[in-house]
Amino acid sequence: SQQGEEDPQALSIQEGENATMNCSYKTSINNLQWYRQNSGRGLVHLILIRSNEREKHSGRLRVTLDTSKKSSSLLITASRAADTASYFCATDESDYKLSFGAGTTVTVRA
Amino acid sequence: GAGVSQSPSNKVTEKGKDVELRCDPISGHTALYWYRQRLGQGLEFLIYFQGNSAPDKSGLPSDRFSAERTGESVSTLTIQRTQQEDSAVYLCASSLGKGADTQYFGPGTRLTVL
Repeated sequence: SQQGEEDPQALSIQEGENATMNCSYKTSINNLQWYRQNSGRGLVHLILIRSNEREKHSGRLRVTLDTSKKSSSLLITASRAADTASYFCATDESDYKLSFGAGTTVTVRA
Repeated sequence: GAGVSQSPSNKVTEKGKDVELRCDPISGHTALYWYRQRLGQGLEFLIYFQGNSAPDKSGLPSDRFSAERTGESVSTLTIQRTQQEDSAVYLCASSLGKGADTQYFGPGTRLTVL
């Protein structure tokens, strides 16, 4: 079952602009992760934020987590063409299992 | 070091044939996962291995699907009597420990059933 739901489904931005996507989930979590997928192939782990953290940065990525609203956001600053990909949030459904959302497809126009 | 590898990268088969998909996880990773991803959709969990045991097979869609893992390493996902609805990308991931933390994905096998 999919716990995480990303919003929007698709996003098109100009190179240099920021991209923001959101993830909502239903049950309590220990951590939430964001992954990137290029061209429908393997996923690459971007960042993990734990339930006791509110914000985390990694390079041009900024992730926030609001456990009271059961939501997270991923911000990509100063986007580049190489950021064109699908982005998925994943929540820990159990101590071994992740539940992935349907993803946000981001297109960065040159 | 080497990442997760999968083979073949693409497989085209005829309806009714059996296929075997292979996954080589990162060395030392005890947890291994298989997922299915249909076009434009999210990841659908199929099966989880801890070592050579599969404590959770709940995502396997039918008894035509089976998987095994040997030597706490390579895993094979077998689909018997393939159907057109089996067409998808099959992704393998491995992780250190139990795996609700970071999972490392292979490039996937794109299966097309004609």
